[in-house]
Amino acid sequence: GENVEQHPSTLSVQEGDSAVIKCTYSDSASNYFPWYKQELGKRPQLIIDIRSNVGEKKDQRIAVTLNKTAKHFSLHITETQPEDSAVYFCAASIGGDNTGFQKLVFGTGTRLLVSP
Amino acid sequence: DTGVSQDPRHKITKRGQNVTFRCDPISEHNRLYWYRQTLGQGPEFLTYFQNEAQLEKSRLLSDRFSAERPKGSFSTLEIQRTEQGDSAMYLCASSFWTGVYNEQFFGPGTRLTVL
Repeated sequence: GENVEQHPSTLSVQEGDSAVIKCTYSDSASNYFPWYKQELGKRPQLIIDIRSNVGEKKDQRIAVTLNKTAKHFSLHITETQPEDSAVYFCAASIGGDNTGFQKLVFGTGTRLLVSP
Repeated sequence: DTGVSQDPRHKITKRGQNVTFRCDPISEHNRLYWYRQTLGQGPEFLTYFQNEAQLEKSRLLSDRFSAERPKGSFSTLEIQRTEQGDSAMYLCASSFWTGVYNEQFFGPGTRLTVL
């Protein structure tokens, strides 16, 4: 079935360290993988996304890698700062671009705490 | 503010009452999505529209739930005969569909509490 697993559920790091969050998905037709950051009481906001024709994408301190064979994708945050503290959600598209059935399935979230 | 807006932001109701939420997407966006988020979980897909057509409904969307997007602009989500299990954050998102996935922009959500 449609499923996205996300690990770890919580992650505590010291300021300046790197953080890695991993997700696996089940639908081989998935071709779009966004990552959202949600601060307490606020709306989810896209921080980076990747499509299946790309293996890696980077935006300043944030990078995402995708392994389609293994159905894994990961978020990497380098030089973490206290303001990176939030819940991060991965998601995968279900259905593919050419079908009439398309939605995002989200992981269960990772609470990242960056200590000064 | 040209982002996605939702109204009301909070709703407290008694079990058995009907509630209706509104979502105003970003004006040029042709796709509108409804999600439900419970504490400690990621958003769960409920339904989505392309323009005024409702293209998909999750099995989470029981017969008590109905959504409309009559003119392809704003959307409403109605829950009839609310139950305590309906308590959650209801999120709306919109995107501009061009045949490939593009970013979904989320609204601030409506937090529903059913007493």
